[in-house]
Amino acid sequence: KNEVEQSPQNLTAQEGEFITINCSYSVGISALHWLQQHPGGGIVSLFMLSSGKKKHGRLIATINIQEKHSSLHITASHPRDSAVYICAVRWVWEYGNKLVFGAGTILRVKS
Amino acid sequence: DAGVIQSPRHEVTEMGQEVTLRCKPISGHDYLFWYRQTMMRGLELLIYFNNNVPIDDSGMPEDRFSAKMPNASFSTLKIQPSEPRDSAVYFCASSSADNEQFFGPGTRLTVL
Repeated sequence: KNEVEQSPQNLTAQEGEFITINCSYSVGISALHWLQQHPGGGIVSLFMLSSGKKKHGRLIATINIQEKHSSLHITASHPRDSAVYICAVRWVWEYGNKLVFGAGTILRVKS
Repeated sequence: DAGVIQSPRHEVTEMGQEVTLRCKPISGHDYLFWYRQTMMRGLELLIYFNNNVPIDDSGMPEDRFSAKMPNASFSTLKIQPSEPRDSAVYFCASSSADNEQFFGPGTRLTVL
């Protein structure tokens, strides 16, 4: 079965801590997305990557195609980073932009 | 650009009633996606369109669900008849080619 697995499911951190969220997938992909869903429910795309590393502010996303693994890092975490972080992949054989989602990681950053 | 627009934002209806959810994608985007999110199953793709043509509807749960995209700026997702298990948040998203997807605010549907 083609799967996307995230870890941890839940994460609580103190403000200022470095945070890592992991995503593993079972077969080849053509792209991987990291999404953020705030308590209000809105979903925002953070990154789309197919190789290497991308950085935006305090957020860094990396991917290792050979190991079928991606990580999302948050440096100097802040309570406003509290959200659900969702990994999504496009399988290599898929036409178009169809995504399969992980279950999400619930992050809570305490002040 | 106003982003992806969905309406209504909240819908409460009784079992058996018809429900219609609406979506206006970002202008110029050629892909439109309908997703359903529940606590039990997370985010699931229901159907997606490319240039107004349905490409993959394998996620549509059953014949009670239907989706249309009559033009590049409008899509509907209809549930008839609705059932309590259809209660969920329904998201519409759009993208340009294989790029990142932009999500609408969602419609929270409650079927009593």
